[in-house]
Amino acid sequence: DGGITQSPKYLFRKEGQNVTLSCEQNLNHDAMYWYRQDPGQGLRLIYYSQIVNDFQKGDIAEGYSVSREKKESFPLTVTSAQKNPTAFYLCASSSPGQGTDTQYFGPGTRLTVL
Amino acid sequence: GQNIDQPTEMTATEGAIVQINCTYQTSGFNGLFWYQQHAGEAPTFLSYNVLDGLEEKGRFSSFLSRSKGYSYLLLKELQMKDSASYLCAASDGNNRLAFGKGNQVVVIP
Repeated sequence: DGGITQSPKYLFRKEGQNVTLSCEQNLNHDAMYWYRQDPGQGLRLIYYSQIVNDFQKGDIAEGYSVSREKKESFPLTVTSAQKNPTAFYLCASSSPGQGTDTQYFGPGTRLTVL
Repeated sequence: GQNIDQPTEMTATEGAIVQINCTYQTSGFNGLFWYQQHAGEAPTFLSYNVLDGLEEKGRFSSFLSRSKGYSYLLLKELQMKDSASYLCAASDGNNRLAFGKGNQVVVIP
């Protein structure tokens, strides 16, 4: 089945540790995105990538890093510099080259920093 | 800059019709998306409007007025499973979406 996978679903880390969240898609989409969602808030864009080996900062990139070495994969690292990392993290992908930029989401990773 | 505004919560009865409004101000615009998000889950795509007018898809319809920066999502024949948050998102034309905070719809028997 085609889709977007994120793992793990729940993640716990101690304060001061870096953590990497996985996002994989087999939809052959060119563009991939990372969002953060806090309770009662909309989705906020962290980083996005429109093509392999290229990515851009979103609205809240500070304290995060990404890589895009393969079309299928767009991992997000939450570094110790992120002041308030506990949140629900959502990965999405889209295929703008096909005339629509509808984004499709993975199931999300809920990160709790203790 | 981007500004997407939605009401925060509404309650409606099973079988009723509910309209969820969204106003937007974006520096560029390439369409308006609606997503449904159940608690603790990922958003799922409902509809996309890029031209003015109404798009109907089963029990859900979405309307766009580009000149007014306004959209609404219409849910008909409400079912209990429609209890969810409905997110409005505007595309800026550079493959980026700006999301509103979501409108929580609670369906009661």
